Amino acid sequence: DVKVTQSSRYLVKRTGEKVFLECVQDMDHENMFWYRQDPGLGLRLIYFSYDVKMKEKGDIPEGYSVSREKKERFSLILESASTNQTSMYLCASSISDQRGSLHFGNGTRLTVT
Amino acid sequence: QKEVEQDPGPLSVPEGAIVSLNCTYSNSAFQYFMWYRQYSRKGPELLMYTYSSGNKEDGRFTAQVDKSSKYISLFIRDSQPSDSATYLCATLTGGGNKLTFGTGTQLKVEL
Repeated sequence: DVKVTQSSRYLVKRTGEKVFLECVQDMDHENMFWYRQDPGLGLRLIYFSYDVKMKEKGDIPEGYSVSREKKERFSLILESASTNQTSMYLCASSISDQRGSLHFGNGTRLTVT
Repeated sequence: QKEVEQDPGPLSVPEGAIVSLNCTYSNSAFQYFMWYRQYSRKGPELLMYTYSSGNKEDGRFTAQVDKSSKYISLFIRDSQPSDSATYLCATLTGGGNKLTFGTGTQLKVEL
């Protein structure tokens, strides 16, 4: 079974802090994704990566950056956390010829105070 | 207007009922259609994956796509309390990498 592991289940940070969310997958998937999930808004794509060191903006990239130095690891960075970035963050991975089949981690609940 | 619209519910049904969950979409370029199930405090997991119009059945679950109406459905037969979850529809264009999700419908199956 594919396992996507997010480093923290819950995180509380202060406004203005730099925040790192880490995600690791163990199935050699090419594609990795970062989503945020908010009530009434559903899942929104922040960034995705289809290869090491490659990244593409999703629908809501403002205030975020990403890093993919190794195939199995995809990091989401909040350069200066703000209260409107309080959310559930979900990482996912997929293989290139099954683009609709995402494997999700269990999420990181981030609270920015 | 959102590209994929989904009634958020909540939907409450008795055990054994047939459940119908629905989404509409606006982009004719969508060619792949998925249903994900998300239990509380868990990430979504893929339930059904279909391409083009028609039905696909997997056990108690049937996914239906009507591209002429831009309408996708998930039917659950003989619903069980363990089916209580949020169900998200998702779509994908032919050449794309980005899924577009509905907002999810919360389902509760009661004993």
